[in-house]
Amino acid sequence: DAGVTQSPTHLIKTRGQQVTLRCSPKSGHDTVSWYQQALGQGPQFIFQYYEEEERQRGNFPDRFSGHQFPNYSSELNVNALLLGDSALYLCASSSYRDYNEQFFGPGTRLTVL
Amino acid sequence: AQTVTQSQPEMSVQEAETVTLSCTYDTSESDYYLFWYKQPPSRQMILVIRQEAYKQQNATENRFSVNFQKAAKSFSLKISDSQLGDAAMYFCAYRSGGGSGYALNFGKGTSLLVTP
Repeated sequence: DAGVTQSPTHLIKTRGQQVTLRCSPKSGHDTVSWYQQALGQGPQFIFQYYEEEERQRGNFPDRFSGHQFPNYSSELNVNALLLGDSALYLCASSSYRDYNEQFFGPGTRLTVL
Repeated sequence: AQTVTQSQPEMSVQEAETVTLSCTYDTSESDYYLFWYKQPPSRQMILVIRQEAYKQQNATENRFSVNFQKAAKSFSLKISDSQLGDAAMYFCAYRSGGGSGYALNFGKGTSLLVTP
């Protein structure tokens, strides 16, 4: 049973570019959350998707957007990249049956130059 | 917004010994959940233990146990019989129990070093 998978593992972009990160949830999960983890910090909640809609959003600008597909996989898009967007981006999946059981993926390390 | 504070950036413990990691949180809610997550150097975050605020009994998972003091808003993690594989970043997290409480609010983490 595959857990949460994310792609790519690493990514290098320049300021002003756009990036798309991908996440496949654990089998049986229908909810995907995205977190940003800056170096030396705890993860910060970006948003959560359920039934292909954004259900809750953290304190992130509109440059951060997402999408959930019918197979529950999800994308995180970041436009007009800033140096401060450099971070580890984590995806977590869960089921509507138990939101306390969130499984995290290995993350995508984004470096903005 | 709820805040989670981990006041120990780094902790060290010898193998087989016991260590306690501290966490405090600030909330006005009565319904919430608390978690300890482990993030090894390979980065994948793993749930260690969780506690429902309405439960008075402290949660236990094998060598891991918590001391939940609701009035003091304190949620510490005790690791008994520490092993080399316990070395990791440990994050305390909070989740609201209300209808819109889906996000996990994390502390800044405590880096645990386990020495032979």
